[in-house]
Amino acid sequence: SQTIHQWPATLVQPVGSPLSLECTVEGTSNPNLYWYRQAAGRGLQLLFYSVGIGQISSEVPQNLSASRPQDRQFILSSKKLLLSDSGFYLCAWRRQGNTEAFFGQGTRLTVV
Amino acid sequence: LAKTTQPISMDSYEGQEVNITCSHNNIATNDYITWYQQFPSQGPRFIIQGYKTKVTNEVASLFIPADRKSSTLSLPRVSLSDTAVYYCLVGRNQGGKLIFGQGTELSVKP
Repeated sequence: SQTIHQWPATLVQPVGSPLSLECTVEGTSNPNLYWYRQAAGRGLQLLFYSVGIGQISSEVPQNLSASRPQDRQFILSSKKLLLSDSGFYLCAWRRQGNTEAFFGQGTRLTVV
Repeated sequence: LAKTTQPISMDSYEGQEVNITCSHNNIATNDYITWYQQFPSQGPRFIIQGYKTKVTNEVASLFIPADRKSSTLSLPRVSLSDTAVYYCLVGRNQGGKLIFGQGTELSVKP
């Protein structure tokens, strides 16, 4: 069976500090991978998606970046966090050609 | 990608049937309609998907009229545990972007 791991569950970081959130998928190959952010009481905002290793599409210009160094690994990064980067970050995957997406447990990031 | 419009919120009582309608006037021929459910502090979870007419599973039913410009998610006899945000998505089953709208916040009361 397929599983998705996302960590850490919670994170408190000072403004200006770097960020690295990691997401890995097991039990499948060549998945589509996604990073979303959800502010309190709001919908899911698509940040990045990837259809293959090294292929990253950015949806929202910001101080975040994403990388996919391996087929089932997706990393969200920032060199300097802003207060507005606070939120609930979700990683997701889905098979090529399938609309059903599977989400990780999320990381609640608080920038102070 | 077709834009979707849903009510921001809905209230219901336990045991009632709840119908949430989503408008997608610009749906393309190859687009499918998919609904997700999200509880607080969790990622969304797939509920149901359809292309036309009616689809039913153990959780919900999805009604899609002939013109496919809207769809209705039907939750039979809701319980308190159905309190969640429900998202309607429209898109092709070909990977790539997966865009969620604002969703409908359903509150089920005793």
